[in-house]
Amino acid sequence: DTAVSQTPKYLVTQMGNDKSIKCEQNLGHDTMYWYKQDSKKFLKIMFSYNNKELIINETVPNRFSPKSPDKAHLNLHINSLELGDSAVYFCASSRPSGPSSYEQYFGPGTRLTVT
Amino acid sequence: DQQVKQNSPSLSVQEGRISILNCDYTNSMFDYFLWYKKYPAEGPTFLISISSIKDKNEDGRFTVFLNKSAKHLSLHIVPSQPGDSAVYFCAARYGGSQGNLIFGKGTKLSVKP
Repeated sequence: DTAVSQTPKYLVTQMGNDKSIKCEQNLGHDTMYWYKQDSKKFLKIMFSYNNKELIINETVPNRFSPKSPDKAHLNLHINSLELGDSAVYFCASSRPSGPSSYEQYFGPGTRLTVT
Repeated sequence: DQQVKQNSPSLSVQEGRISILNCDYTNSMFDYFLWYKKYPAEGPTFLISISSIKDKNEDGRFTVFLNKSAKHLSLHIVPSQPGDSAVYFCAARYGGSQGNLIFGKGTKLSVKP
């Protein structure tokens, strides 16, 4: 069984469009994250959600908005896509506290290409 | 400003020999350090971690060493196997149990048969 899944795996779209990437985890974790891996290969945190509350919001454009319908899902909505948004986006999850809370489980990534 | 640095973009090692991957950091407030392994077209997978109060953690063929005074950690893989060929990311956590992970840029390890 896939622990953290993302859809779609690949997404090609034009500038100005609005798109969403879905993430689901079946690990029973309380905290979920979105990371962006840019062309320079850096993995950078974008958002994290704990019990449906945003607890960390890095300085990302407000065109990006995370939406969590329930504890197992954290979707990423992107409005007015720009060329610089092209990257691989990873979803992750972790326990909120206790042993191994530092360990994050990652999804397979979504490669977004904006043309 | 990079708080976690992996200065070697790639490393090539012969099968059976030791692989040593290095990582430097600048923030003394990090409380955990982790190594992740990533294959192409897959997400990073957790490999091994070390608390900032320890200097060594071992798990099978993988050992992580932490030198706090030098703000340096290393991952040793002994013996290296072709299946270990992947990109290895060093990560550090700050902010406690709900804190962030900050990742290095990764080192691509190639283990030659």
